[in-house]
Amino acid sequence: SQQGEEDPQALSIQEGENATMNCSYKTSINNLQWYRQNSGRGLVHLILIRSNEREKHSGRLRVTLDTSKKSSSLLITASRAADTASYFCATSRYTDKLIFGTGTRLQVFP
Amino acid sequence: DAGVIQSPRHEVTEMGQEVTLRCKPISGHNSLFWYRQTMMRGLELLIYFNNNVPIDDSGMPEDRFSAKMPNASFSTLKIQPSEPRDSAVYFCASRADRAQSSYEQYFGPGTRLTVT
Repeated sequence: SQQGEEDPQALSIQEGENATMNCSYKTSINNLQWYRQNSGRGLVHLILIRSNEREKHSGRLRVTLDTSKKSSSLLITASRAADTASYFCATSRYTDKLIFGTGTRLQVFP
Repeated sequence: DAGVIQSPRHEVTEMGQEVTLRCKPISGHNSLFWYRQTMMRGLELLIYFNNNVPIDDSGMPEDRFSAKMPNASFSTLKIQPSEPRDSAVYFCASRADRAQSSYEQYFGPGTRLTVT
């Protein structure tokens, strides 16, 4: 079974609003990554957070990690139409293997 | 850098035919991953290589699937014989040496396989 479950499955917002996506996983990890997938394209890495980190920022992205709850969240601030995509969390546990979540489909309306 | 290159981008074949998907990783990357993406099962890791050696093939569905990496710049995923349930988008990804503290995977554009 997949490691990560994401919530919500789909999210629709207006440009300028913030978008928050959540990811829960089942076993201990050493890092968690977020990827974006535009329709018909491959995945693109956004940000990585290590198990000993609680929060990380990159531009308009903010990621938090709560290892006690086995959960992470991705916040996209001041969203743009170009942020429309599917977003996946992916976890690894001391190996090269990444286990991807089910994804959140984000639609940003102009 | 051209990124990860996959070919073909689209493949339509009939049930029972052999299908070969190809991948060229980013130069200098030493890990290569094959994934399959479907609506029902999401994104699944099929197999990955490190320094051209298969490390974990536990995700390969069955013996009809095989993967090779004869050198650092080329890998193939073969399905023989193909079945309609193999219809999916197949992605190849590569990653730099983990010793460089790099965990980011770079994905190719994918091959959309349709088996009729």
